[in-house]
Amino acid sequence: AQKVTQAQTEISVVEKEDVTLDCVYETRDTTYYLFWYKQPPSGELVFLIRRNSFDEQNEISGRYSWNFQKSTSSFNFTITASQVVDSAVYFCALSGPNAGGTSYGKLTFGQGTILTVHP
Amino acid sequence: NAGVTQTPKFQVLKTGQSMTLQCAQDMNHEYMSWYRQDPGMGLRLIHYSVGAGITDQGEVPNGYNVSRSTTEDFPLRLLSAAPSQTSVYFCASSYLRTETPYEQYFGPGTRLTVT
Repeated sequence: AQKVTQAQTEISVVEKEDVTLDCVYETRDTTYYLFWYKQPPSGELVFLIRRNSFDEQNEISGRYSWNFQKSTSSFNFTITASQVVDSAVYFCALSGPNAGGTSYGKLTFGQGTILTVHP
Repeated sequence: NAGVTQTPKFQVLKTGQSMTLQCAQDMNHEYMSWYRQDPGMGLRLIHYSVGAGITDQGEVPNGYNVSRSTTEDFPLRLLSAAPSQTSVYFCASSYLRTETPYEQYFGPGTRLTVT
């Protein structure tokens, strides 16, 4: 069975601080995919990144960066110089490959981390 | 493109009533799914479909039915509403073309309260 744990329920920071959101996962698949989604106060989920299990390179996109460590089953997300607009719920999610049967596109989500950035 | 649309945005039901949550997408996505979001539990998969005429159960399917007669539409039916079904419901869709799962596009959600 797959499991995603986001141990931080809520994080509160002041603008311009850096913040890291933790994500730990469990899976028996040898090939798997990790995602981060953002849910702003408007409610819709917005895709941020997908990473496959064979690619352990860290990724940077503007103020966002992701640190994938297979050895510790973690896929952490860092926001540098946070801004008020970063306030949202952030979800880490895990999927197996589209290999037929019951594994098509089934995302397992973590509980989410509520990030509040104060001005 | 409208993306993924859901109606209604809000709904209040009495215990035992039935209703259908509508979901439509205009991106020609093969894969569509329904999730429910409850506080502290993330999103959980209810049902999903890999194409017209093909549906399957997710993690929490009890009390819900789905059908997929067209590529665009994927309605979720509550057969006999219960207070435990009070939740926010999200519909999502994505391409399903390779072994690599594509990102899913989510609708705006339906907030359902069952009294």
